[in-house]
Amino acid sequence: DIQMTQSPSTLSASVGDRVTITCRASQSISSNLAWYQQKPGEAPKLLINKASSLETGVPSRFSGTESGTEFTLTISRLQPDDFATYYCQQYKTYPFTFGGGTKVEIK
Amino acid sequence: EVHLVESGGGLVQPGGSLRLSCTASGFTLSEHIMDWVRQAPGKGLEWVGRSRNKANGYTTEYAASVKGRFIVSRDDSKSSFYLDMSSLKVDDTAVYYCIRSPPGKAPGDCWGQGTLVTVSS
Repeated sequence: DIQMTQSPSTLSASVGDRVTITCRASQSISSNLAWYQQKPGEAPKLLINKASSLETGVPSRFSGTESGTEFTLTISRLQPDDFATYYCQQYKTYPFTFGGGTKVEIK
Repeated sequence: EVHLVESGGGLVQPGGSLRLSCTASGFTLSEHIMDWVRQAPGKGLEWVGRSRNKANGYTTEYAASVKGRFIVSRDDSKSSFYLDMSSLKVDDTAVYYCIRSPPGKAPGDCWGQGTLVTVSS
């Protein structure tokens, strides 16, 4: 199975901060990576697919990049609505696997 | 509007069986790949299984942790997607989500609200 190593597991930040979350795949997944946002008590929401393609309606402060097997989700200016847990997922090879999650907390 | 609603969760004893249902609306189920994803209480997300669409012969894939115990199926005429779970274990306790996965794109452009399955004696 492809292992997805996500870091950090917790991140404390303030409104307006630039936030970066990293996900590293144990082998090549090409660009077959998605990022999700989950708020407490809610289902996850797809933010980015194909590593860098923003879903319709997702604010442009979210962006995704890739460099080999390392993928990054950046929130350029953190907003109050962005405090949540973020997950990456590879969908290159079965079984699809998720990173362990990054909880973005208020500093 | 695209909408997914899961049902069928509940309390079941270890070794028991349960069927989860997912009712789709706002899109044509036969055109879409569908997945089940679960989340144990306070834990991360785990992909469970997939049913490909009509164009891809409705073939299925499973996570190793559920293969041989869980079966994904669908009835496109009823706009319904199912997860039949048997030989349930305590570790299967989780919220189960059905998700729509457009061909060629990331899974989960639409998620249901989830249904809780608790396996306990």
